[in-house]
Amino acid sequence: GAGVSQSPRYKVAKRGQDVALRCDPISGHVSLFWYQQALGQGPEFLTYFQNEAQLDKSGLPSDRFFAERPEGSVSTLKIQRTQQEDSAVYLCASSLLRGLTYEQYFGPGTRLTVT
Amino acid sequence: EDQVTQSPEALRLQEGESSSLNCSYTVSGLRGLFWYRQDPGKGPEFLFTLYSAGEEKEKERLKATLTKKESFLHITAPKPEDSATYLCAVLIQGAQKLVFGQGTRLTINP
Repeated sequence: GAGVSQSPRYKVAKRGQDVALRCDPISGHVSLFWYQQALGQGPEFLTYFQNEAQLDKSGLPSDRFFAERPEGSVSTLKIQRTQQEDSAVYLCASSLLRGLTYEQYFGPGTRLTVT
Repeated sequence: EDQVTQSPEALRLQEGESSSLNCSYTVSGLRGLFWYRQDPGKGPEFLFTLYSAGEEKEKERLKATLTKKESFLHITAPKPEDSATYLCAVLIQGAQKLVFGQGTRLTINP
């Protein structure tokens, strides 16, 4: 079946521009996560949705970062006034979270480069 | 503070040379421990979930084990296609987010 998809795969932004990153989760997965991965590091949690509700946004690094999932399916991560330190790979993951199933399945990521 | 540490950071083996990767964790309450494989330019690929000490899971040349403080990913007779970064992550009681280690970059030379 289809996995998690993300678009665009690569994004180059000039410092100060706004960007929007899209995630299409696995069909039927109620939970959706965003992670940020710096080069050579493990992913770091940004935010979590259950259906359309954003239940945890403790990992968002500043108020320039905003995420939404209005209909409980597709999600968008928006970064306003991008800075060079925002350069990273942004990963989306989805999970069924039913019973004892907690596995998160990841998309290919969007590599953001801020120049 | 919840912490996950993987060692070594990088490991280079000859084809057929078995070894183990380590993941040690310090968490307030463990709900599950996950192993992922990540190839360059791709997202992490799920391998295993372990839920309790003593549990073991196997898949092809990989076997994951769990104790109360650490997990091991054993790789037996590896092949060059096993070259990747292996990530360990924990799911903590009362939270849904995964806390990842920094990964072990594994290279298998033919």
